[in-house]
Amino acid sequence: QQQVKQSPQSLIVQKGGISIINCAYENTAFDYFPWYQQFPGKGPALLIAIRPDVSEKKEGRFTISFNKSAKQFSLHIMDSQPGDSATYFCAARVDAGNKLTFGGGTRVLVKP
Amino acid sequence: DTGVSQDPRHKITKRGQNVTFRCDPISEHNRLYWYRQTLGQGPEFLTYFQNEAQLEKSRLLSDRFSAERPKGSFSTLEIQRTEQGDSAMYLCASSSQGGTVNYGYTFGSGTRLTVV
Repeated sequence: QQQVKQSPQSLIVQKGGISIINCAYENTAFDYFPWYQQFPGKGPALLIAIRPDVSEKKEGRFTISFNKSAKQFSLHIMDSQPGDSATYFCAARVDAGNKLTFGGGTRVLVKP
Repeated sequence: DTGVSQDPRHKITKRGQNVTFRCDPISEHNRLYWYRQTLGQGPEFLTYFQNEAQLEKSRLLSDRFSAERPKGSFSTLEIQRTEQGDSAMYLCASSSQGGTVNYGYTFGSGTRLTVV
C-alpha cells in the first residue's frame, strides 16, 4: 500500500524556470511533511519541511504548499539552476517513532 | 563528528553469503533508523532504535535480517543467506528526540549491496 503518491516521475525544466512536484497522502495521522533532495551515490538530504497547521513555507528558492483538506502538498523550485538537478522525494511522518513514509521520487533535470 | 557514517560504501556478494553493514550515527543522536532503497524508488523503512532498544521492525525485515545497536552507539545490519532481491542501497539515518519533540533526520550515504 503506497501511502504517499508522488508525481511526476521526472521533469525537465529550463534554467530559470519553475519546477513543481506534487504529493498526495492518505493517512490523516501524518503530522510532518519533509522534502528530501538526493544526488547519485548520496543519501537523501533534508531540503524543507512543513507541518499541517501551515499552508505555505518558503526557504530561499524552495516553497512548500500544503492543502490539508485535499491531503496534498507540493514543492516549488523557483529560478531552477543546473545544480538543482537531482531526485526529490516527499515524505510524511507519524509522530510516534519518527518513521518516514516516502513517495516514489521525481528526477529533475535543469537544462542550462 | 560531521555526519552519519556507513561502511562499507559498496558490497558485492554471492547469493547465499552473509553480509554485515555498519552505521555510526551523529554522536548526540539517540535514534537510529535503517531504510532500504531500490533503484528508482523512495527509501522504505526497515527498523529503528532508540538508544539500544529496537522499537519497531517493518514486515520487510524478514527472518534473514537482523539489526543491533549495542550500547546505543553504532548499529549493524546483518543479512543472512543473501538473495538477489536483497540488492539495494541500505541507508542509515539518525535523529534526536527531546521529550515529545522529534527532530529531522540526517542520512548517511548508504551501503550499496549487489548480490550476484
